[in-house]
Amino acid sequence: GAVVSQHPSRVICKSGTSVKIECRSLDFQATTMFWYRQFPKQSLMLMATSNEGSKATYEQGVEKDKFLINHASLTLSTLTVTSAHPEDSSFYICSASVGGNQPQHFGDGTRLSIL
Amino acid sequence: GESVGLHLPTLSVQEGDNSIINCAYSNSASDYFIWYKQESGKGPQFIIDIRSNMDKRQGQRVTVLLNKTVKHLSLQIAATQPGDSAVYFCAENGKETSGSRLTFGEGTQLTVNP
Repeated sequence: GAVVSQHPSRVICKSGTSVKIECRSLDFQATTMFWYRQFPKQSLMLMATSNEGSKATYEQGVEKDKFLINHASLTLSTLTVTSAHPEDSSFYICSASVGGNQPQHFGDGTRLSIL
Repeated sequence: GESVGLHLPTLSVQEGDNSIINCAYSNSASDYFIWYKQESGKGPQFIIDIRSNMDKRQGQRVTVLLNKTVKHLSLQIAATQPGDSAVYFCAENGKETSGSRLTFGEGTQLTVNP
């Protein structure tokens, strides 16, 4: 149980393109979903927290107009990287939780490469 | 600020040996801790968790120990196998944080030699 699916697994696109990443909880309802960014050989850096039906809470230094998050249902959250540039290239990972002091379950990440 | 960190960035062990991965945390209000395993190119995988009202919890081949006095957390892996090679992260959910927001440590790269 507690499977989180993330799609696509890899994206390669030109600078200026907007990219949407989907995160789905397949067998549970996720009250809260999280989006992380991870650079090579580094830890996970939380970008934002989203609760179903409300606006996402962004971490300090994360541009909300650059990284658009939508959490329209209890099983789906999307992250859109708008007008992506090479510096946005990274490994983006989502997680989902039923809330409270329960573990987050992670998707397998999206490798984003901007040329 | 509050942080979670690891003592050792890399750990190399022989197959069949026991592994111990350590983690120090600084938020004394933390009441929930998790260990994750991350294989190359994949997302973190839940291994085991422990709440602050416990000092030890065992799973299959893994044991987590919590020492609240010195704010230290460890993950013990018994009879380490090549498939255990990965980066291991500790994470904490401080009582003062909202929802289930986690703070991750820096990670330890575990390499198991055959």
